[in-house]
Amino acid sequence: RKEVEQDPGPFNVPEGATVAFNCTYSNSASQSFFWYRQDCRKEPKLLMSVYSSGNEDGRFTAQLNRASQYISLLIRDSKLSDSATYLCVVTRSYSSNTGKLIFGQGTTLQVKP
Amino acid sequence: DVKVTQSSRYLVKRTGEKVFLECVQDMDHENMFWYRQDPGLGLRLIYFSYDVKMKEKGDIPEGYSVSREKKERFSLILESASTNQTSMYLCASSFMAMRDTQYFGPGTRLTVL
Repeated sequence: RKEVEQDPGPFNVPEGATVAFNCTYSNSASQSFFWYRQDCRKEPKLLMSVYSSGNEDGRFTAQLNRASQYISLLIRDSKLSDSATYLCVVTRSYSSNTGKLIFGQGTTLQVKP
Repeated sequence: DVKVTQSSRYLVKRTGEKVFLECVQDMDHENMFWYRQDPGLGLRLIYFSYDVKMKEKGDIPEGYSVSREKKERFSLILESASTNQTSMYLCASSFMAMRDTQYFGPGTRLTVL
């Protein structure tokens, strides 16, 4: 079983739609959670961090459920420019000051006119 | 703006050749990472470094080595390239290993013939 699992999609939605992506992780010791965005043939870039209380950044809302080991990303009023692959990321720590990010394989979103 | 640069965007090598991939960051980050990204597998960590001359194995270090002689530079070395090392290689850096954003370079598409 992969440590971070995502539905690869693709999700094809019309402009203006609301779309939600889910992600599950297997390591209950994971401490930090993120969504990264990767455009076609580009490098990943941080979209937002995910906090237990949930957080919102404009049209994007991220939620974390530690009990179920589940992370979500909601995009409202989808734009053509939202078309990308969304990577769910959790941390795995080695010591108090070192660790690494574990990436899901990504969920592809295509927003159509 | 953080800038992470990689020595080549595209590289073609022959089986058995020694390959050097270079990564330079300009933000005085402590931590640097090398990933490879393959369809269906997502990003997988090869090696990382949390200080000059320090290195840690990631999830798939076999067939690779790394060098970090200066803080800003992290090199990935394929001692004897093989066809199964054909991939997209991404370098990243961050100030803190886990909690801070990782900034990625544009990637090197390596083809081993």
